[in-house]
Amino acid sequence: GAGVSQSPSNKVTEKGKDVELRCDPISGHTALYWYRQSLGQGLEFLIYFQGNSAPDKSGLPSDRFSAERTGESVSTLTIQRTQQEDSAVYLCASSFGGPDTQYFGPGTRLTVL
Amino acid sequence: DQQVKQNSPSLSVQEGRISILNCDYTNSMFDYFLWYKKYPAEGPTFLISISSIKDKNEDGRFTVFLNKSAKHLSLHIVPSQPGDSAVYFCAASRTTSGTYKYIFGTGTRLKVLA
Repeated sequence: GAGVSQSPSNKVTEKGKDVELRCDPISGHTALYWYRQSLGQGLEFLIYFQGNSAPDKSGLPSDRFSAERTGESVSTLTIQRTQQEDSAVYLCASSFGGPDTQYFGPGTRLTVL
Repeated sequence: DQQVKQNSPSLSVQEGRISILNCDYTNSMFDYFLWYKKYPAEGPTFLISISSIKDKNEDGRFTVFLNKSAKHLSLHIVPSQPGDSAVYFCAASRTTSGTYKYIFGTGTRLKVLA
């Protein structure tokens, strides 16, 4: 497909379990972003990858959150020991870098019971 | 500290009239701004952007105005259409920092009444 894809679309997990969320960016996009949107809130920046540079992790809310990116392709966001407050829609976006337009995926809705 | 603020959580406008969505920011170092539109169960889609070297950018029915001294930007939609009903987010970035990290507002839900 031509757009950003994310999987799974929905994830329900129990408190304390680990989850992995996947993002497939648009081919050729060097920049990749993760955001989350909690109920009634705006988009909260989590992490930003740009090419081979060190990622900007300044938005990760705790050390339970981590993300990896393989080259300029797939990225996974891992949340360890999930808590109920982690419930949100997790959105991935990619771009050609710089101030270029970000293209968003449909998101993964995470529910922690 | 909310660096980008959209103080109106919702707005209702009659079809054909002008919709004005507002956004305020606190960081004077922000130099690039964007508006995104989001429908339920979909990711945000880009609408329009503006660099701090401009005070206006227009694209069809959408115009963004930037007032740097007031740290305020607004999105005008003229004429408004029912399909414009969505949540609108403004976002800001300090491109001189090199990371192009975007800070988003909390969104304004626009409802265009037929």
